[in-house]
Amino acid sequence: ILNVEQSPQSLHVQEGDSTNFTCSFPSSNFYALHWYRWETAKSPEALFVMTLNGDEKKKGRISATLNTKEGYSYLYIKGSQPEDSATYLCAFTSGTYKYIFGTGTRLKVLA
Amino acid sequence: SAVISQKPSRDICQRGTSLTIQCQVDSQVTMMFWYRQQPGQSLTLIATANQGSEATYESGFVIDKFPISRPNLTFSTLTVSNMSPEDSSIYLCSVEDPVKGSNEKLFFGSGTQLSVL
Repeated sequence: ILNVEQSPQSLHVQEGDSTNFTCSFPSSNFYALHWYRWETAKSPEALFVMTLNGDEKKKGRISATLNTKEGYSYLYIKGSQPEDSATYLCAFTSGTYKYIFGTGTRLKVLA
Repeated sequence: SAVISQKPSRDICQRGTSLTIQCQVDSQVTMMFWYRQQPGQSLTLIATANQGSEATYESGFVIDKFPISRPNLTFSTLTVSNMSPEDSSIYLCSVEDPVKGSNEKLFFGSGTQLSVL
């Protein structure tokens, strides 16, 4: 059974703090690892699609790294802002239309 | 990109009743996906809906419980039938990026928060 684990499950940080989360996924049959941000009452929104071992992607204050050999990805947020409060999901795919999601990390940034 | 309109956004239903969720996409897509997120669980694929053919259900999900319609390339419905409290979840529809050759990320509706009493 393929499993994707995310940690921590939730965290609270102060505005201006930097933070990071982890996504662990199967290291075999890897095709892509996705990160999504899901704000309450809104659609999950894609942040990154990562395909290459060692890949690093950045979007504003958010960045992500990928290690396919050991099966993990980190998402970093620099200088957290209240608008960063959301659930961050990662999803693994082996190349089919089927995506295996983690349970998410719920981030709350306190002003 | 793709914009998906999903409704209803939330509903509170009685045990034994059924609810139909609708998703409208602003572009033509081959496959539409229906997901469920139960409390504390991960997003789980219920079924894949292709236009003109029966939906393909994942293990643990059956057509009698979750009938799906896909009358054209921009629209789909999911019905949650004979509901019980265990069906209380967020239901999401999704499509892959309709622009081929892109990163094929997923686009989602805004979800239906279902509570069954």
